[in-house]
Amino acid sequence: QKEVEQNSGPLSVPEGAIASLNCTYSDRGSQSFFWYRQYSGKSPELIMFIYSNGDKEDGRFTAQLNKASQYVSLLIRDSQPSDSATYLCAVNSMNTGGFKTIFGAGTRLFVKA
Amino acid sequence: SQTIHQWPATLVQPVGSPLSLECTVEGTSNPNLYWYRQAAGRGLQLLFYSVGIGQISSEVPQNLSASRPQDRQFILSSKKLLLSDSGFYLCAWMETGHSYEQYFGPGTRLTVT
Repeated sequence: QKEVEQNSGPLSVPEGAIASLNCTYSDRGSQSFFWYRQYSGKSPELIMFIYSNGDKEDGRFTAQLNKASQYVSLLIRDSQPSDSATYLCAVNSMNTGGFKTIFGAGTRLFVKA
Repeated sequence: SQTIHQWPATLVQPVGSPLSLECTVEGTSNPNLYWYRQAAGRGLQLLFYSVGIGQISSEVPQNLSASRPQDRQFILSSKKLLLSDSGFYLCAWMETGHSYEQYFGPGTRLTVT
């Protein structure tokens, strides 16, 4: 059973701080890794994807991937109250029926003003 | 640019009634399409995915079915709804290229009474 694990939180950080969200996955054959943001009552929105070891930066967001440790993280710098949401980690693997994405249950982030 | 539509946005149905949810994608050809369900406060459960017209893979045994009658149309159905079918139903399409990210529609909130 392929799994993606996240701490459910809630993770609470003050405005302006760095929020660090973590994710581990079980399938060593996983090829692509994603972070989605989901506001309450809304559908998930893709914010970052990464497929090579190391860091990938996009504005205030940095995704980090360590395939040897099967670990993905998302850093949010200068956190804002508008970043308060649930963050879903997702991992892609090839199956006989095509590419399939496994989602973690999500980490709730609260940014306090 | 690509757009994904889902309807209806909300639905309240009695137990034992039928269900039909529709998803259409614009601006892309031969996408992979996915149906997910998200129960309140829970993660995403993959229900069905399709890599082409008439090709459906089922992930969990249940009273739901899916069909793909056209390239960019994906339909989720049930003959008789159960209380446990309540949830947030999300359709997604996958970019089959370099990174294989998924993009979600706005979702349908289903309440079975």
